[in-house]
Amino acid sequence: GAVVSQHPSRVICKSGTSVKIECRSLDFQATTMFWYRQFPKQSLMLMATSNEGSKATYEQGVEKDKFLINHASLTLSTLTVTSAHPEDSSFYICSARVRTSAWNEQFFGPGTRLTVL
Amino acid sequence: QKEVEQDPGPLSVPEGAIVSLNCTYSNSAFQYFMWYRQYSRKGPELLMYTYSSGNKEDGRFTAQVDKSSKYISLFIRDSQPSDSATYLCAMSFYGQNFVFGPGTRLSVLP
Repeated sequence: GAVVSQHPSRVICKSGTSVKIECRSLDFQATTMFWYRQFPKQSLMLMATSNEGSKATYEQGVEKDKFLINHASLTLSTLTVTSAHPEDSSFYICSARVRTSAWNEQFFGPGTRLTVL
Repeated sequence: QKEVEQDPGPLSVPEGAIVSLNCTYSNSAFQYFMWYRQYSRKGPELLMYTYSSGNKEDGRFTAQVDKSSKYISLFIRDSQPSDSATYLCAMSFYGQNFVFGPGTRLSVLP
């Protein structure tokens, strides 16, 4: 299957700082990438859909000015958590949609664990 | 009512047991039904997907979809300790985003 990487895998930051997370599709082009957040023992909650070359579409309740998404190329999307606070601590997972798949299959990255002190 | 419901567990079974995992859903428009396995602190990996109703088998795994009942199942035969993980069901219809269940934590005891 297709491979999606995320960097960093873990980050600890101070409250008020910004953190950037990268999501890369390593062996395929992804016109659409998704960003999810997962709190302990809970399911994945879609935060936003990122389309290459256009603005991201955010889910209801997700602050677009706080979670900045950039999808500058067909293999890279970034999520920047601005002015992070302890309540932003979570597991952030990206996925990339395989365009050629009949059912728009998504491949998931390994996730990034963010801890805000 | 949540769009996709799943018993969170934890579910503990002895090695070699048959495991049954289930999800119910409310949106009759869903056409694609997926099962993902997620190990602790890792991203989900796709186990199986099914289009519309019916059964699909892959090795020790069998997925069943009953659209009339809005109920899907994943069966694991001859369960192994390495199967211990959280199992997430997910659903969508063509071109639309996935909706995930909350996941069931499974422990297979040696």
